[in-house]
Amino acid sequence: DAKTTQPPSMDCAEGRAANLPCNHSTISGNEYVYWYRQIHSQGPQYIIHGLKNNETNEMASLIITEDRKSSTLILPHATLRDTAVYYCIVRAVTQGGSEKLVFGKGMKLTVNP
Amino acid sequence: NAGVTQTPKFRILKIGQSMTLQCTQDMNHNYMYWYRQDPGMGLKLIYYSVGAGITDKGEVPNGYNVSRSTTEDFPLRLELAAPSQTSVYFCASRTTGTVLGYTFGSGTRLTVV
Repeated sequence: DAKTTQPPSMDCAEGRAANLPCNHSTISGNEYVYWYRQIHSQGPQYIIHGLKNNETNEMASLIITEDRKSSTLILPHATLRDTAVYYCIVRAVTQGGSEKLVFGKGMKLTVNP
Repeated sequence: NAGVTQTPKFRILKIGQSMTLQCTQDMNHNYMYWYRQDPGMGLKLIYYSVGAGITDKGEVPNGYNVSRSTTEDFPLRLELAAPSQTSVYFCASRTTGTVLGYTFGSGTRLTVV
C-alpha cells in the first residue's frame, strides 16, 4: 500500500488560505488520494478526493502534482471551525478486492484568530 | 436520514466482561468498517464487511468478533475485555462505488478497568 507523509502540525491565521501538503511518492497509477479531517473526538469527515486532475468542492480544493507524488489540500478561507486533524490517505485495496482506508497520524491544523 | 449510528456513546467495562458495540446505517451501503483510535494516533481497521454475510479481518482483529446478518447492522463484539482495548471505536460505511467517501459514526468511547 502506498503511504503518505504529512507534517505533524501547521498553524494558519483565520481568513487566510490554509495549504496542507502531503507526499505520496509510492502511489500507484490507479490509486486515489483522499482527504479526511477529524474535529476533536468526532468521527472523521470526508473532504475531497482525486486521481490526476485538480478537484474542487464546497469545502476545499485538491491540487495533485503532475507526477502524482504529492498533493496539497487548500482551504481557501480558513475559519476557527477548521481546526482539526487532517488525514491524507491513498486508497488501498485488499486481497479480496475490497477497499480499505489506512489512516496515518495526520496533521493537526490550528486556525488562530 | 440518520447516516451511521453508534451506540453506546460511552461505556466502562471491567476486565473480563463482554459487550457489543452497535452500528447501524440507513443508507443501504454494502461496505461497513470498524476502526479503533488510541489517543494521539490514527485509526486502525479492526474488521470490515463487503455485504451481508461476509466479513473479514483488518489490521488489529484480535480480541474482537463481528457479524453482518443484515445490510444495515454491523455489531462489534468484545468477549473478554482487556485494558488494551480501551479506545474510541468508529464505525463507517460506504456504497459500492469505489471512488466515494466513507461516512463515519460519532464513535463509542470505551474504557476497560
